[in-house]
Amino acid sequence: DTAVSQTPKYLVTQMGNDKSIKCEQNLGHDTMYWYKQDSKKFLKIMFSYNNKELIINETVPNRFSPKSPDKAHLNLHINSLELGDSAVYFCASSPARTAQETQYFGPGTRLLVL
Amino acid sequence: AQSVTQLGSHVSVSEGALVLLRCNYSSSVPPYLFWYVQYPNQGLQLLLKYTTGATLVKGINGFEAEFKKSETSFHLTKPSAHMSDAAEYFCAVSDRGTSYDKVIFGPGTSLSVIP
Repeated sequence: DTAVSQTPKYLVTQMGNDKSIKCEQNLGHDTMYWYKQDSKKFLKIMFSYNNKELIINETVPNRFSPKSPDKAHLNLHINSLELGDSAVYFCASSPARTAQETQYFGPGTRLLVL
Repeated sequence: AQSVTQLGSHVSVSEGALVLLRCNYSSSVPPYLFWYVQYPNQGLQLLLKYTTGATLVKGINGFEAEFKKSETSFHLTKPSAHMSDAAEYFCAVSDRGTSYDKVIFGPGTSLSVIP
């Protein structure tokens, strides 16, 4: 059983398209995250949800919209894709929202915008 | 604001040699510190973390790290490198805000192990 799963694993698309990435965790955690890892491996938080409530919204273009239908799922929808959106997107979860918690990462979604 | 620096974006060691990956942080409050490892084409997984208590922290796969407040460091070591240790290693520090907490990741160090 995969603890944190993401679909799809790979996504190749054209500029201007709209795409979604799905994430599910079966760990019973309260908090979920989206991170973006660029080509230099730099990892930056984008969003965090706690029990379906948005708690972190970093300076991300509003073309990115997260949605959490329940605390086990956190999806990421991206409108009007741009070349600069090409990256690996990681979903993660943690038992609670406090900073000392371990985060459990999914395998990543590799997005390539052409 | 909290931040993390990792000295050396790439480190090479021989199999069986000591692994030392350096991490320095800045934090205005007592920090929580983490080391995560990312194997090729995988997500990150926790190696070890320091929250409170003993400053020498032992983690998985024979790794350990020591929190040194006076040096604002949290260097990662392993006595003897294995080929399977080749991966990207990220140091991270907690950023405890007034309304939310988050973790700030360092830029990563790529470890190569030479047979």
